[in-house]
Amino acid sequence: GQQLNQSPQSMFIQEGEDVSMNCTSSSIFNTWLWYKQDPGEGPVLLIALYKAGELTSNGRLTAQFGITRKDSFLNISASIPSDVGIYFCAGQLSTNAGKSTFGDGTTLTVKP
Amino acid sequence: ETGVTQSPTHLIKTRGQQVTLRCSSQSGHNTVSWYQQALGQGPQFIFQYYREEENGRGNFPPRFSGLQFPNYSSELNVNALELDDSALYLCASSLGVAWVNEQFFGPGTRLTVL
Repeated sequence: GQQLNQSPQSMFIQEGEDVSMNCTSSSIFNTWLWYKQDPGEGPVLLIALYKAGELTSNGRLTAQFGITRKDSFLNISASIPSDVGIYFCAGQLSTNAGKSTFGDGTTLTVKP
Repeated sequence: ETGVTQSPTHLIKTRGQQVTLRCSSQSGHNTVSWYQQALGQGPQFIFQYYREEENGRGNFPPRFSGLQFPNYSSELNVNALELDDSALYLCASSLGVAWVNEQFFGPGTRLTVL
């Protein structure tokens, strides 16, 4: 089956620093999604990417859909304490709408 | 407009028992997907329901079953519980099965099997 490798597994950064995390797959996806999950909550969608090469921003967040369709990255600029949480990438195939394959997450800790 | 809600919040069961988890989809959403999230891992797709019919299933045994009702709320049933079934169970609703639709997740039900 499809597998997503998400890295790094965890990050400890200082407030104000930029963050970069990525996701790679052994197979192609037609949609890449990035979510954030806080303790006791379900994942919340941050950015959705629908086309290879697409670069999309949402405030301080920027994500790109890799040209090969097998990878994606998420950057967070000027991190703040509320960025703390677990970030998940997820891939979808066009024939499996809503049936996302998730990575195992990157846990982000921001020190004030 | 209300978001996705799930009940109960927490549940403790013993091995061999059966459990039913419930999900109310976001207003206007006709598609519900269920995920299992083990500790330290990402959510894993269990199955999806679209207009009361199962529309795809992940790699889970038949003792995981579901229902969707005419109001698009949904249930996840797990029979013959095993210790490894301990996890956070998430449901997510979306407007339809077209691939461009994003999902909105509920807060999850934390199931502990002893």
